[in-house]
Amino acid sequence: GQQVMQIPQYQHVQEGEDFTTYCNSSTTLSNIQWYKQRPGGHPVFLIQLVKSGEVKKQKRLTFQFGEAKKNSSLHITATQTTDVGTYFCAEAGGTSYGKLTFGQGTILTVHP
Amino acid sequence: DSGVTQTPKHLITATGQRVTLRCSPRSGDLSVYWYQQSLDQGLQFLIQYYNGEERAKGNILERFSAQQFPDLHSELNLSSLELGDSALYFCASSPSGDTASPLHFGNGTRLTVT
Repeated sequence: GQQVMQIPQYQHVQEGEDFTTYCNSSTTLSNIQWYKQRPGGHPVFLIQLVKSGEVKKQKRLTFQFGEAKKNSSLHITATQTTDVGTYFCAEAGGTSYGKLTFGQGTILTVHP
Repeated sequence: DSGVTQTPKHLITATGQRVTLRCSPRSGDLSVYWYQQSLDQGLQFLIQYYNGEERAKGNILERFSAQQFPDLHSELNLSSLELGDSALYFCASSPSGDTASPLHFGNGTRLTVT
């Protein structure tokens, strides 16, 4: 079935460094969502991308959807210790209803 | 607070037993999703309900079943439990169940099978 590959699996950075995680699919996606899960917490919705080439920003976070709608990225500028957690992308596989399939997630550690 | 309530928070039980996990969606949300999160498997989709009807099914084992009741709360039943069923089980809800709607997750139920 539909699957998104998310890389890297782990990322360790020093506070103040930038961070990027990528999601790639072999097929065209209808939309892609991003979630953050803090250690010991539950996934929390960050943003949804729908249009080809779309770029959205939330403070230090920049989200991009590829032109072919087969990949997406989340970039954090100047990481802070509060950014620690697992970042997941999730996709619907081209359907308008039903399950959201999550990528394996990228675990971000920020060293002060 | 996401508005999604899951009970219990923790559950410890023995192999072969049966447990029921409960979820109340956010007020106004008609769709409920169940996900299993284990260390090596990430977030695995189990099943989705919309207004009482099953809408989508993932890799849910035959030993597992779920339902959504008229008041929209949902229960996930896990039977003949095995050690490998130990995981965090999340419930999420959305207003309409379409994939354009973000999911709101509960705090999860941590199941430990001994």
